[in-house]
Amino acid sequence: NAGVTQTPKFRVLKTGQSMTLLCAQDMNHEYMYWYRQDPGMGLRLIHYSVGEGTTAKGEVPDGYNVSRLKKQNFLLGLESAAPSQTSVYFCASSYSASRDTQYFGPGTRLTVL
Amino acid sequence: AQKVTQAQTEISVVEKEDVTLDCVYETRDTTYYLFWYKQPPSGELVFLIRRNSFDEQNEISGRYSWNFQKSTSSFNFTITASQVVDSAVYFCALSEAGTYKYIFGTGTRLKVLA
Repeated sequence: NAGVTQTPKFRVLKTGQSMTLLCAQDMNHEYMYWYRQDPGMGLRLIHYSVGEGTTAKGEVPDGYNVSRLKKQNFLLGLESAAPSQTSVYFCASSYSASRDTQYFGPGTRLTVL
Repeated sequence: AQKVTQAQTEISVVEKEDVTLDCVYETRDTTYYLFWYKQPPSGELVFLIRRNSFDEQNEISGRYSWNFQKSTSSFNFTITASQVVDSAVYFCALSEAGTYKYIFGTGTRLKVLA
């Protein structure tokens, strides 16, 4: 039982390049989330999904897109990376909202030069 | 509005000391959930505890204990007889019933010195 996995673990991009981060969970959770973690700011929600085929914006969605074509996968895309998107990205999943615990992946460290 | 404040940015203690990490929250809802997560130097986020707003009983799990007080809107975390392996960043989070959203505090970095 792997829980929540993220690919890749590290990535360096040049400004303007694009990339996709992949999150996979094997817990049959309905809800999935993408957060970014920046020094001194805790975790901030980028986008989330309440089920297969659905996505919604979180606190800081600009510059990112997401897709949830399969229940177990949640993709985060950066179409044109900017230095301000240098961060650690975490994916999480939960069975449902609010009361249920969110379980996090190991994170992806992204640097945009 | 929802808000979580962890006023202690960094705490250093010597091994075997007890240490309390503070968490103060703001919410207008009567039903909500509070969480603590640990982020060790390896970077992953490890779930520690969940508490709902109707359960004010203190929780103890080994060397860890949590004190939930609605009167002061606090959910503090105490580590008894700290160990070097407790060194990590600890996050407190709040979720209101019926929402998808966790609001995280900015975290407290705990350094336990041998």
